[in-house]
Formats: sequence, structure tokens, C-alpha cells
Amino acid sequence: ELKVEQNPLFLSMQEGKNYTIYCNYSTTSDRLYWYRQDPGKSLESLFVLLSNGAVKQEGRLMASLDTKARLSTLHITAAVHDLSATYFCAVDNDMRFGAGTRLTVKP
Amino acid sequence: DVKVTQSSRYLVKRTGEKVFLECVQDMDHENMFWYRQDPGLGLRLIYFSYDVKMKEKGDIPEGYSVSREKKERFSLILESASTNQTSMYLCASRPTGLGNQPQHFGDGTRLSIL
Repeated sequence: ELKVEQNPLFLSMQEGKNYTIYCNYSTTSDRLYWYRQDPGKSLESLFVLLSNGAVKQEGRLMASLDTKARLSTLHITAAVHDLSATYFCAVDNDMRFGAGTRLTVKP
Repeated sequence: DVKVTQSSRYLVKRTGEKVFLECVQDMDHENMFWYRQDPGLGLRLIYFSYDVKMKEKGDIPEGYSVSREKKERFSLILESASTNQTSMYLCASRPTGLGNQPQHFGDGTRLSIL
């Protein structure tokens, strides 16, 4: 059974700082997805990573995939308050999700 | 733009009732999914469907069943609701092929079982 682990589960950051969220998974897969969820809202897609070494960037967020290590990272650069949300990774065609990382960016 | 519509945002039912949660998508997607979301546990897959009349168990199917009689509609059924099924339920859809597109989610149904 596929297991997906995210860490940290909670992250409180100062504005302007950098940090990385990690997503580990237990079985071979070369497809990984990152989603964002704002409080009271549904999930929206951020990134789709489809091969080993894939890197995608959008604004202050950059996602990467290492299929050999079964690891994806979501890197936050110079955080701003608008990035406060819960971030989920999901693996494989059957879309198993991690527990989510609740990010809070403080002034 | 893809639209996934869940029939209710909030629902309150009593223990033992049979509960139906409905989900409709308007983009002719083959794949549809039901999750429940609980604090600290993320999204857990209940059931999914690759096509009409097809269904597959996810990680927590106990106490639930599903129905997919038409391509656009995927229903989740709580056969005899219990208090531990109080949760946020999310429906999602996704096309087959097209370069592994991400899922599109509905707004969720917050279900309370009293």
C-alpha cells in the first residue's frame, strides 16, 4: 500500500525567509502533484511533476521530484503572507495524499 | 473551466440514517474520486471510479458504498451513518491521458452525524 508522508505538518515562518516542505512516498512512482488549500476552500492544483528530476516554479514556490529517492520538495523563497495555506502532495494515478503542511507566514 | 459540483455544502444527519452525497462534473472526465478530510490526517481515499459502473476501493471503504450510473455523476452512500463518519467529504474528477492532469475538486460537503 502506498504511503505518503509530509513534513513538517505545521510550519510558521517569518516573511522574507526561505523554507522547504518535504514529501516522501513508499513505492515507485514518477508522478507527483502539489495542491494548495486555503481555509474553508477546496484544493487547487499548483504543480504536476511527471519525471525524475522534474522542476517546476511559480512565483515564490518551486517544486522538484527525485523518483529514485522517492522524494519531492516544495521550496518557498522569501515568504509572504499570501502564501499562508495548507499544502498537500499527492502521488500516483490513484492520488494518495499526504497529511498536509499548514503554513503560516507572519509579518 | 472544469466544474465539480457537490450537492450540499453542509449536511446534518442522524445515526443510522442512509446518507447520499452527490457529485457532478461537467468535463466528461473518466475518473472520479471520493475523499474524506480530517484534521491531521489529510485526504483519505474512500472510493474511486475509472468509468461508468466501475468502482475501486480506496484506503477506507468500510461503511461506504458508491454508485456511478452516468459518467458525470459519482455518488457516495453511507449505508448506516455513524458519528465517526462526521467529516469533510471532497469529490474530485480527472481525465484519463492528457499528460497526467491534476484532479479538479468540488467545494466539499461538511457532514455532521448526530
